[in-house]
Amino acid sequence: DTEVTQTPKHLVMGMTNKKSLKCEQHMGHRAMYWYKQKAKKPPELMFVYSYEKLSINESVPSRFSPECPNSSLLNLHLHALQPEDSALYLCASSQNPTRTLRDNEQFFGPGTRLTVL
Amino acid sequence: RKEVEQDPGPFNVPEGATVAFNCTYSNSASQSFFWYRQDCRKEPKLLMSVYSSGNEDGRFTAQLNRASQYISLLIRDSKLSDSATYLCVVNRVNTGFQKLVFGTGTRLLVSP
Repeated sequence: DTEVTQTPKHLVMGMTNKKSLKCEQHMGHRAMYWYKQKAKKPPELMFVYSYEKLSINESVPSRFSPECPNSSLLNLHLHALQPEDSALYLCASSQNPTRTLRDNEQFFGPGTRLTVL
Repeated sequence: RKEVEQDPGPFNVPEGATVAFNCTYSNSASQSFFWYRQDCRKEPKLLMSVYSSGNEDGRFTAQLNRASQYISLLIRDSKLSDSATYLCVVNRVNTGFQKLVFGTGTRLLVSP
């Protein structure tokens, strides 16, 4: 079972709102990722958690705050977003960040389509 | 030069045709290579990992040419359901193996 779930599917928020995106996987994967994807563009990496610790932050603005409560869950807290932050936010997971090709295969959730008004 | 480059297409082919996509990557030290497909307004789905010796999965064949730094994907006997964007993905070197760089994708349209 290679399933990653994300909630909500759609989110509309104002620039002063605080909201959270949630991601869950039950594949025993130890690496989890947040990506942002704008229309007709490839996904762009935002954050990587490895063994529940933040290992990569791609210079993402502080209005995006990731959290990994346990090995199965990944959250992205949103606060004071801008309209240009509207995008598809994708969560992904992989087995283990090692040299093995198979361990680096990333599996994506369906995404949360975010609109900031 | 972009880290991963693909022809954006679209490639318009009839059902049953064979179509090939190429992708080039800039860093010779890259070690992980993948093909993902993405349908409109959906998430990317892993199609194939690309092994050094090349690999085949049904109608799909992936090959890696390290000397020329390109990866190819061959689709035989195209189906209407193959219509999608195909993303070439390579790991970003010197950052561990967690950072994947996505090409901009090649769009495939299979018509009846």
